[in-house]
Amino acid sequence: DIQLTQSPSSLSASVGDRVTITCQASQEIRNYLNWYRQRPGKAPEILISDASNLETEFPSRFSGGGSGTHFTFTISGLQPEDFATYYCQHYDNVRLWTFGQGTKVEV
Amino acid sequence: EVQLVESGGGLVQPGGSLRLSCAASGFPFGNYWMTWVRQAPGKGLEWVANIKQDGIQKFYVDSVRGRFTISRDNAKNSLYLQMNSLRAEDTAVYFCARVGVNYYYDSSGYYINHWGQGTRVAVAS
Repeated sequence: DIQLTQSPSSLSASVGDRVTITCQASQEIRNYLNWYRQRPGKAPEILISDASNLETEFPSRFSGGGSGTHFTFTISGLQPEDFATYYCQHYDNVRLWTFGQGTKVEV
Repeated sequence: EVQLVESGGGLVQPGGSLRLSCAASGFPFGNYWMTWVRQAPGKGLEWVANIKQDGIQKFYVDSVRGRFTISRDNAKNSLYLQMNSLRAEDTAVYFCARVGVNYYYDSSGYYINHWGQGTRVAVAS
């Protein structure tokens, strides 16, 4: 099975900072990778699908890139609501889905 | 507005059973793949199971295969998760969610675009 490793596991940042999270896949996964934000006590929200497709309701400060085994997620200009945990997720069609362990973005 | 409301969680002893339900509204339920995702206390997200629109094709994570059964009733706009032989490690918040699809000329991309608020399951004696 494919494993996803996110780094860092946590980071400290300030409002306005640029933050980048990486997700490394144990095997080549093309662009079959999504990114979610989970605020404390809330359900996750999809931010980026298929490595780089930003969901329409989210601002352009969120971006994703990469293909193959190495992926990045960037927030350009951290806002208070962005202090949360971020997860990457790989899908093998609808047969098997895997989440990364998460990256907590803290003040 | 898409709404997914889970119910049926609670405290159960190891080896016991529980049936989770998810009431869907605000969209044509029968047109979508649906999924269950769980989150153990203080831990990350873990995908549990997927079910196709017709309720026939189902997929599970290895750790629950043979113990959990995902099902749906399109007439009632409802998704279910029957959980048997429960273990302490099944303790988690269980989220019901809708699957979104990106269509490309040679493939499809899948993601979770709507989530319920979750229902808590605790397995302990």
